[in-house]
Amino acid sequence: DAKTTQPNSMESNEEEPVHLPCNHSTISGTDYIHWYRQLPSQGPEYVIHGLTSNVNNRMASLAIAEDRKSSTLILHRATLRDAAVYYCILRMNYGGSQGNLIFGKGTKLSVKP
Amino acid sequence: NAGVTQTPKFRVLKTGQSMTLLCAQDMNHEYMYWYRQDPGMGLRLIHYSVGEGTTAKGEVPDGYNVSRLKKQNFLLGLESAAPSQTSVYFCASSYRRAGANVLTFGAGSRLTVL
Repeated sequence: DAKTTQPNSMESNEEEPVHLPCNHSTISGTDYIHWYRQLPSQGPEYVIHGLTSNVNNRMASLAIAEDRKSSTLILHRATLRDAAVYYCILRMNYGGSQGNLIFGKGTKLSVKP
Repeated sequence: NAGVTQTPKFRVLKTGQSMTLLCAQDMNHEYMYWYRQDPGMGLRLIHYSVGEGTTAKGEVPDGYNVSRLKKQNFLLGLESAAPSQTSVYFCASSYRRAGANVLTFGAGSRLTVL
């Protein structure tokens, strides 16, 4: 899978929006963009994924650049429970894919009350 | 609906001892995975399985064995534990849906090898 680049850490204030960036300049046309997060002492949990169009779900929004070389995870109103490490991961989309995710170090998000 | 359940949650071993970590999922997922996570690092894939009776090596398979005799269970074994295997182990499962594949993770098993 292609590589992603994320800032090591970010800070946010509670109830403010958070924009978590991810660069993936070597993305291929068939790569999906996935976001997972890992709360302290827990396993990773799925947040959102997309291919070309922006995506929204109950947890977050995913904004994908037109050239797909970058994306942004948007938390509309950060809460203290959103403090976690956020991972941006690319997943190849072809029939032989074994489905595993390759994790980098992610972005550690701190939320201040 | 329990999702992915890992047992045990904590274990302390002495060097050379053996043990098995059990992962069980109740979502009828085809794929299952074992990852390890060391301090300050992301998760690294140890072994995975694309179906009952089949397993394959991931990024860091040395020192581990796996078995998937039943679709819902994926076992990770350490035959002779070493201090370098001190880590937090996560199991995950997913449907077989290529790039749109979404993984569900367990809560983790913390293993210390003295």
